[in-house]
Amino acid sequence: EVQLVESGGGLVQPGGSLRLSCAASEFTFSDYWMSWVRQAPGKGLEWVANINKDGSGESYMDSVKGRFTISRDNARNSLYLEMSNVGVEDTSMYYCARWYYNEAWYFDLWGRGTRVTVSS
Amino acid sequence: DIQMTQSPSSLSAYVGDRVTITCRASQSIGRSLSWYQHKPGKAPKVLIYRTSSLQSGVPPRFSGSGSETDFTLTITNLQPEDFADYYCQQSSSTPETFGQGTRVEVK
Repeated sequence: EVQLVESGGGLVQPGGSLRLSCAASEFTFSDYWMSWVRQAPGKGLEWVANINKDGSGESYMDSVKGRFTISRDNARNSLYLEMSNVGVEDTSMYYCARWYYNEAWYFDLWGRGTRVTVSS
Repeated sequence: DIQMTQSPSSLSAYVGDRVTITCRASQSIGRSLSWYQHKPGKAPKVLIYRTSSLQSGVPPRFSGSGSETDFTLTITNLQPEDFADYYCQQSSSTPETFGQGTRVEVK
């Protein structure tokens, strides 16, 4: 089955670090741009970061620049999000998503998410 | 950043109803607009891309229209499985911003 499965979420203290992972199955991972999208409790969806097919290019939302790093390992069909110096505002469900172009860009495949809670 | 404003934020409807959700961009985005459905505990799912193109496997009771700054998602003959949250999202420029969402509830 074509799917994305996130892992690595949990409880982290303010100022701490966490690494999220996303495992891709049943598609050629290296053919696609990938993204992280988050949803804070009771809030809407919020794009976090994108990475291109070979990992040579990244983009981030302003509030995570310098703190989060998106990366990928195409040999392992995996996407990552390194989170550092986290704050309570980073508490969210984090979704891995495939960023696809077909006349326009859109997220055509999503995982179920991994929850990150920042609290002391 | 381009701001996306959805309305209404929530609505109540009966099975069989026709439902319309609107999304307005703070500046022109051409047709770079997609719509997603999200149910609690599930992966979000794309319904419509490039304003009006139906994603494979999505029932044709979902349709999208619009251009530039004003867009609409219409669900005709609302089904029980359609009660969910819906989001628009622009991909004209980074950051790729979402609307705040519309919750479609059972009346």
